[in-house]
Amino acid sequence: DAKTTQPTSMDCAEGRAANLPCNHSTISGNEYVYWYRQIHSQGPQYIIHGLKNNETNEMASLIITEDRKSSTLILPHATLRDTAVYYCIVRVDYAAGNKLTFGGGTRVLVKP
Amino acid sequence: NAGVTQTPKFQVLKTGQSMTLQCAQDMNHNSMYWYRQDPGMGLRLIYYSASEGTTDKGEVPNGYNVSRLNKREFSLRLESAAPSQTSVYFCASSEPPRRNEQFFGPGTRLTVL
Repeated sequence: DAKTTQPTSMDCAEGRAANLPCNHSTISGNEYVYWYRQIHSQGPQYIIHGLKNNETNEMASLIITEDRKSSTLILPHATLRDTAVYYCIVRVDYAAGNKLTFGGGTRVLVKP
Repeated sequence: NAGVTQTPKFQVLKTGQSMTLQCAQDMNHNSMYWYRQDPGMGLRLIYYSASEGTTDKGEVPNGYNVSRLNKREFSLRLESAAPSQTSVYFCASSEPPRRNEQFFGPGTRLTVL
């Protein structure tokens, strides 16, 4: 699975959009970009994933560049409850052995 | 639906003691996983079970054994606990390829003295 690079931390103002970047310059054509987050002391929570098209769900939007070497997770209206560590993960979708490799992630602090 | 449940929530062991961490899911998922998370670090995969009756090693399997008891339950055993195994342990499940995201339990906080 391709490695990812994320900023160690970032702050965001409550009510504003939070844009979380991720670099995955060695991504292969069959690898997906996944985003998870982990709120303090809880298990990780799935947010969104995509292959090459932009994706949106009730939690966030995922923008993947045309060359697929980087992506941005957008939380449209950050709330204090969005304070968490956000993990960008790149991996192939196997039918069996659906493994995730977690890196350091980005620690996001939403401030009032 | 309870999702993924783990027991116990907290555990303190002495070096050399053994214990089993329990995990169960009620989503009828085929795949289940055990991860550990050390302070300030990301999660690392210990073992996984792609389907009932199969188990495979992950990134850090040494010192652990697993049992996929049935489709619902996947246990992790520490035969002789060591201080290096002090960590938070998370269980997860998924249903590839239909739903590839993993659903995580609340974790077990283990301290080995």
